[in-house]
Amino acid sequence: GAVVSQHPSRVICKSGTSVKIECRSLDFQATTMFWYRQFPKQSLMLMATSNEGSKATYEQGVEKDKFLINHASLTLSTLTVTSAHPEDSSFYICSAYPGQTNYGYTFGSGTRLTVV
Amino acid sequence: GQQVMQIPQYQHVQEGEDFTTYCNSSTTLSNIQWYKQRPGGHPVFLIQLVKSGEVKKQKRLTFQFGEAKKNSSLHITATQTTDVGTYFCAGAYNQGGKLIFGQGTELSVKP
Repeated sequence: GAVVSQHPSRVICKSGTSVKIECRSLDFQATTMFWYRQFPKQSLMLMATSNEGSKATYEQGVEKDKFLINHASLTLSTLTVTSAHPEDSSFYICSAYPGQTNYGYTFGSGTRLTVV
Repeated sequence: GQQVMQIPQYQHVQEGEDFTTYCNSSTTLSNIQWYKQRPGGHPVFLIQLVKSGEVKKQKRLTFQFGEAKKNSSLHITATQTTDVGTYFCAGAYNQGGKLIFGQGTELSVKP
């Protein structure tokens, strides 16, 4: 089946620093990837749609300058949390659609970000 | 805006009892998908429903898509402790487009 690899799985950073999260599709090409954020006991909130070779589409209320998304190739999308603050601490998950109806969307294993 | 509402938020059942979670979209969906997430894990795809009125079964799980393609349900017959987790519905308004997740239903099963 389709696999999406996400790294790192956990990261702790200091306030004011930036953190980069990578999302790779391992066995399929993904022209589009999706980035979600999930707080404890809550649902997945779509942050942005990452488009290969073009600008990402951000959901309403998501700061573009804070959450930088780059989709430079058909298999890699990155999310950079810039100037992180404690309120950015969350679980970030990426996903992609492999193009096969019976498989739905494939999710990465998520990144637990803690800003101290 | 596009919203997917899901109820109930929590469901506590005795092992062997049935369980149902419901989803409703504010607008017509292209398809609806169901995912299961265990604590600390990521969502795992269960099924996708595309056709109006579609019903699909996976062993003890029955998934339904409404005639208007706005609502859906997941029913688990005779729950087991392995069914524990949070079940999310996610609606897509076009194939391959963004998914809008429901709030999720957290299922706990008492042995």
